[in-house]
Amino acid sequence: DIQLTQSPSFLSASVGDRVTITCRASQAISSYLAWYQQKPGKAPKLLIYGASTLQSGVPSRFSGSGSGTEFTLTISSLQPEDFATYYCQHLNNYPLYTFGQGTKLEI
Amino acid sequence: QVQLVESGGGVVQPGGSLRLTCAASGFTFSTYGMHWVRQAPGKGLEWVAWIQYDGNNKDYLDSVKGRFTISRDTSKNTLYLQMNSLRAEDTAVYYCARGARYSGDYIVLDYWGQGTLVTVSS
Repeated sequence: DIQLTQSPSFLSASVGDRVTITCRASQAISSYLAWYQQKPGKAPKLLIYGASTLQSGVPSRFSGSGSGTEFTLTISSLQPEDFATYYCQHLNNYPLYTFGQGTKLEI
Repeated sequence: QVQLVESGGGVVQPGGSLRLTCAASGFTFSTYGMHWVRQAPGKGLEWVAWIQYDGNNKDYLDSVKGRFTISRDTSKNTLYLQMNSLRAEDTAVYYCARGARYSGDYIVLDYWGQGTLVTVSS
């Protein structure tokens, strides 16, 4: 089974900062990766799919890159509403989805 | 607009059963695969089960195989998760989510319900 490892698990940042979250796959998964944002008490929200394609309505300060085994989610200038937990998800083994363990982004 | 509304959660004793329901609206339910994903308190997301758009194929997380059954009723636009032989480790918020194909090749969970809490405790 393919494992996804996110780093860091916790990230402290300030409004206006540029932050990067990494997701590493235990085997190559091409660009079959998605990113989700989850705020406390809320359902996850799709941000990016295909490693780098922004979901409709997601602000352009979010971007994704990578292919194979290493992927990144970058927020170019943190806004107050961006403080949340972020998960990567492997899409290549549909429907047996795997999620990363999450990265909590806090002030 | 797409809406998914879960219900049926609650407190149940170990070994007990519960049926979760997800009412779908705002899209053609019969053309989408549907999923259940859970989140234990303070933990990450864990995919649980999937059912194909027509109900003909299903799959499950290994730890719930033989205990959980996913089903759907297209006439009612409703997804179900029958959970039997519940264990303490099944305690979680359970979300239903729609599986949609994007860019022809990526099937993502693009809409989620608000979740329903299942607590397994004596």
